[in-house]
Amino acid sequence: SAVISQKPSRDICQRGTSLTIQCQVDSQVTMMFWYRQQPGQSLTLIATANQGSEATYESGFVIDKFPISRPNLTFSTLTVSNMSPEDSSIYLCSVDSGDGNQPQHFGDGTRLSIL
Amino acid sequence: AQSVTQLDSHVSVSEGTPVLLRCNYSSSYSPSLFWYVQHPNKGLQLLLKYTSAATLVKGINGFEAEFKKSETSFHLTKPSAHMSDAAEYFCVVTRPDSSYKLIFGSGTRLLVRP
Repeated sequence: SAVISQKPSRDICQRGTSLTIQCQVDSQVTMMFWYRQQPGQSLTLIATANQGSEATYESGFVIDKFPISRPNLTFSTLTVSNMSPEDSSIYLCSVDSGDGNQPQHFGDGTRLSIL
Repeated sequence: AQSVTQLDSHVSVSEGTPVLLRCNYSSSYSPSLFWYVQHPNKGLQLLLKYTSAATLVKGINGFEAEFKKSETSFHLTKPSAHMSDAAEYFCVVTRPDSSYKLIFGSGTRLLVRP
């Protein structure tokens, strides 16, 4: 299975600032996904990032708040913009298995706290 | 609408006793189903998956799950709990609009008592 590295693993940020989270995969993958896990909650899909096209956002998430880049088949970034305490969450990236038959593999996540 | 329900938010068992984590799904079609585990300060690890092959699915670390279409259930079991099994468990289904998109259950926290 793919090995996924996320950076940073955790951060504490001031409100109003922005943070970019990186997701690096050790193999080429078609689809990458970004999830949010709010404290004590389950995971919610933010967007799907495909190389060569704009990210597709789920209901409730917008590009201005969560801009995503996907410059190649092994890398993606998620920026959390103009952060507020409500953005304190774990942000996880995942990738498709590559054989068209799930499952997804997940990184260890970025634990973000906003003061 | 497709959804997945984990019936217990917390389950507590003694080490060496069986584990049962319950999951029901609702769907107008047959989704793929998964169980993932999340240990503290870790990402998600796949335990097992069901993709319309055998209804009894064996996963890692001694876990298995049985797909019962008539009951729309996909319960996770393990014969004997180990201390290292203490974690959060998520039942997950694919969405009808995209097999690449997932819906997560609310999670079940498993506590293993010594």
